[in-house]
Amino acid sequence: NAGVMQNPRHLVRRRGQEARLRCSPMKGHSHVYWYRQLPEEGLKFMVYLQKENIIDESGMPKERFSAEFPKEGPSILRIQQVVRGDSAAYFCASSPFTTAQPQHFGDGTRLSIL
Amino acid sequence: KNEVEQSPQNLTAQEGEFITINCSYSVGISALHWLQQHPGGGIVSLFMLSSGKKKHGRLIATINIQEKHSSLHITASHPRDSAVYICAVSPGGSQGNLIFGKGTKLSVKP
Repeated sequence: NAGVMQNPRHLVRRRGQEARLRCSPMKGHSHVYWYRQLPEEGLKFMVYLQKENIIDESGMPKERFSAEFPKEGPSILRIQQVVRGDSAAYFCASSPFTTAQPQHFGDGTRLSIL
Repeated sequence: KNEVEQSPQNLTAQEGEFITINCSYSVGISALHWLQQHPGGGIVSLFMLSSGKKKHGRLIATINIQEKHSSLHITASHPRDSAVYICAVSPGGSQGNLIFGKGTKLSVKP
């Protein structure tokens, strides 16, 4: 099954540590989106990437958060110096060639900050 | 006011009932999506539509672009339909990001 793969499924970090979340899109998909779901809230867009390019990062917090989608390998969402408020479920989605396609979601990474 | 509003927030139904979930939006869109989030947290895309109506099994999605409104219907509901149903829109001219409603939590009792 070549669905969207996210790892780890669960990640626990202490305040001040770094969190790295990985997303491998579906085979043949070159568009990757990251979304965050805070407890008891709806999903919110964070960033949209194509291979080696950030297309739209309007939903990313200005500090501590970064994302990349290298030519080879998975997309990475990186959170530096995590704080309690970063605790959330982070979902990755992918779509093929254009944005006018349904997005396929991964199962998410649940990040907990101690 | 949220750009995407869903109603109801919570819905309990008996098995076999016909279910309707509503979504209204306030922005221009290129497409509207209905998603299903399972109790375990995974998200599945059910429909993407920009006009008219789509049907897949017991699920039907409709959209009225003029009224900026969409509905998701489930016929002959079953306990396995219990999930959170999320409406999302692709804003017109956007690069692909989605704006989400807060979801409707559906519980179907046997």
